[in-house]
Amino acid sequence: TQLLEQSPQFLSIQEGENLTVYCNSSSVFSSLQWYRQEPGEGPVLLVTVVTGGEVKKLKRLTFQFGDARKDSSLHITAAQPGDTGLYLCAGEDYSNDMRFGAGTRLTVKP
Amino acid sequence: KAGVTQTPRYLIKTRGQQVTLSCSPISGHRSVSWYQQTPGQGLQFLFEYFSETQRNKGNFPGRFSGRQFSNSRSEMNVSTLELGDSALYLCASSLKRGSGYEQYFGPGTRLTVT
Repeated sequence: TQLLEQSPQFLSIQEGENLTVYCNSSSVFSSLQWYRQEPGEGPVLLVTVVTGGEVKKLKRLTFQFGDARKDSSLHITAAQPGDTGLYLCAGEDYSNDMRFGAGTRLTVKP
Repeated sequence: KAGVTQTPRYLIKTRGQQVTLSCSPISGHRSVSWYQQTPGQGLQFLFEYFSETQRNKGNFPGRFSGRQFSNSRSEMNVSTLELGDSALYLCASSLKRGSGYEQYFGPGTRLTVT
């Protein structure tokens, strides 16, 4: 059982559509990070959220950390084929250990 | 600034052999973590080194070991390889541990055990 549950596991959409992926846990985290990984490469850090309720925007990507610091969401507006990849969330617990979710595999079709 | 580098990128070994993977962190980063990534299990934490000391270890057998050198470069070793050890091994470096610390990953070493 994953400490961090990501949903959906797979998502296939058309270019231009909006989407939201979720990262949920019953544990509280001191910070939470989102990564994107492309095939054959390591994950690339997208954002770190630290404060409960925090919202961060990165161009068409909006990240939110839940008020209770147990969950997070990633919203992509007007998805593009270049957004295709595996999106991973990772939570830092209060022992400073990092726990990863299994990921959401996103495919954006042109 | 150069990113995290891992060598080799690809490796094929046979069961029973041992393997050593290398990771060079971003300059100035003192923390190096190792992960195993497989399609079935996702990213699984192996261990973390900070200033040459192992700070934490994941739930892996003793066949998996690592070390860190004074220049922060790290190696991991897997002895008596099994077919199930086939995976992408990722190394990540960070400046420090603590709230909000950010990890930067290398491209990984793809290990295939036959």
